[in-house]
Amino acid sequence: KNQVEQSPQSLIILEGKNCTLQCNYTVSPFSNLRWYKQDTGRGPVSLTIMTFSENTKSNGRYTATLDADTKQSSLHITASQLSDSASYICVVSAVTGNQFYFGTGTSLTVIP
Amino acid sequence: DTEVTQTPKHLVMGMTNKKSLKCEQHMGHRAMYWYKQKAKKPPELMFVYSYEKLSINESVPSRFSPECPNSSLLNLHLHALQPEDSALYLCASSPYFNLAGAVDYGYTFGSGTRLTVV
Repeated sequence: KNQVEQSPQSLIILEGKNCTLQCNYTVSPFSNLRWYKQDTGRGPVSLTIMTFSENTKSNGRYTATLDADTKQSSLHITASQLSDSASYICVVSAVTGNQFYFGTGTSLTVIP
Repeated sequence: DTEVTQTPKHLVMGMTNKKSLKCEQHMGHRAMYWYKQKAKKPPELMFVYSYEKLSINESVPSRFSPECPNSSLLNLHLHALQPEDSALYLCASSPYFNLAGAVDYGYTFGSGTRLTVV
């Protein structure tokens, strides 16, 4: 069964600190993995997209890693800001078709 | 224009009302999607349109009726909704749909319509 699991479910960190969010998946055959940031009541905004051959991709203070062998991904946020408070969703696509498999998200709260 | 625009941003409707949600994109995308998202849950796919034809209906109740009048516009008509239908309704678009093996880099979500059914 194609599944995407994220951890932790929620996280609270101090402003300026770094954090790492995890995503494990069983989607097969794997096509690509996306990390989205979703502010409360808003639509998801794409942070990174990685294919099978990509191990690391950065977007500003966000760095995503992918280990296609272990089917794990992480999103590292450096020097966190209050505006980073949001839900971060891992989304995996299979080669066969355009369907997205969504993780349940990690709710990040950055406090001053 | 690289955005998916959804209107209205908020909607409150009674169970006997008829209303419509609107989604618009001008990126030349040929695939458009409706999702429903409950609080603290991931989005759930409802409908997919490809080249203005309905490609996927994820067993959505008939009180939700999608319409794609042209390649830039997607509507969701609502009638006789229930309070449990209250949710964030997201529209998305992408350059194409179901091109196996290809990575759809252009997949873009709108900001959503917050629907409350009273």
